[in-house]
Amino acid sequence: ILNVEQSPQSLHVQEGDSTNFTCSFPSSNFYALHWYRWETAKSPEALFVMTLNGDEKKKGRISATLNTKEGYSYLYIKGSQPEDSATYLCAFGKAGTASKLTFGTGTRLQVTL
Amino acid sequence: KAGVTQTPRYLIKTRGQQVTLSCSPISGHRSVSWYQQTPGQGLQFLFEYFSETQRNKGNFPGRFSGRQFSNSRSEMNVSTLELGDSALYLCASSLGGTPSSGNTIYFGEGSWLTVV
Repeated sequence: ILNVEQSPQSLHVQEGDSTNFTCSFPSSNFYALHWYRWETAKSPEALFVMTLNGDEKKKGRISATLNTKEGYSYLYIKGSQPEDSATYLCAFGKAGTASKLTFGTGTRLQVTL
Repeated sequence: KAGVTQTPRYLIKTRGQQVTLSCSPISGHRSVSWYQQTPGQGLQFLFEYFSETQRNKGNFPGRFSGRQFSNSRSEMNVSTLELGDSALYLCASSLGGTPSSGNTIYFGEGSWLTVV
């Protein structure tokens, strides 16, 4: 059974704060780590697909790093805005069955003015 | 470019009935996967189809089945519905290729199923 864990479970920050979340996953048979942003009543939005150890990806104010040897990834949001409020999910793709994603339970971010 | 489209969005069924959910992937995508989310649970993988063949399967009972058509559209069926089948069912599509392709996987908005 694959275990993907995310922390914290929820986070409440003020507008302008920078924040980060952690995703830990099995370090063996790694193929890809996916990050999604999921707002209520919408479809999960793909943020990043990371496949190489040491990978760093950036999209606007959001960035992510990957350490496959120790089995963790960090997602950073710089200068949080109310529109960043959402649940952030990571998902692990195992080598050989990488389209079968194992999801963490997510980090719920709330950004207030 | 249209995204992943799922129908119906909402439906209510009675215990013991069956239900069919439909998914149209992004044009050009050949891989379609299905996931279930129940309250308090993360997204759970049901199965994946690629070129009309089931390529991966999750740990769900045989009441859950699916298929993919030659145009890559997919359907999933749940027979003999139970109260615990009430959930959000999400469809996802990707280009596919080899199972370890690392392509971005795009999700639809889901079908909300309530079993009463």
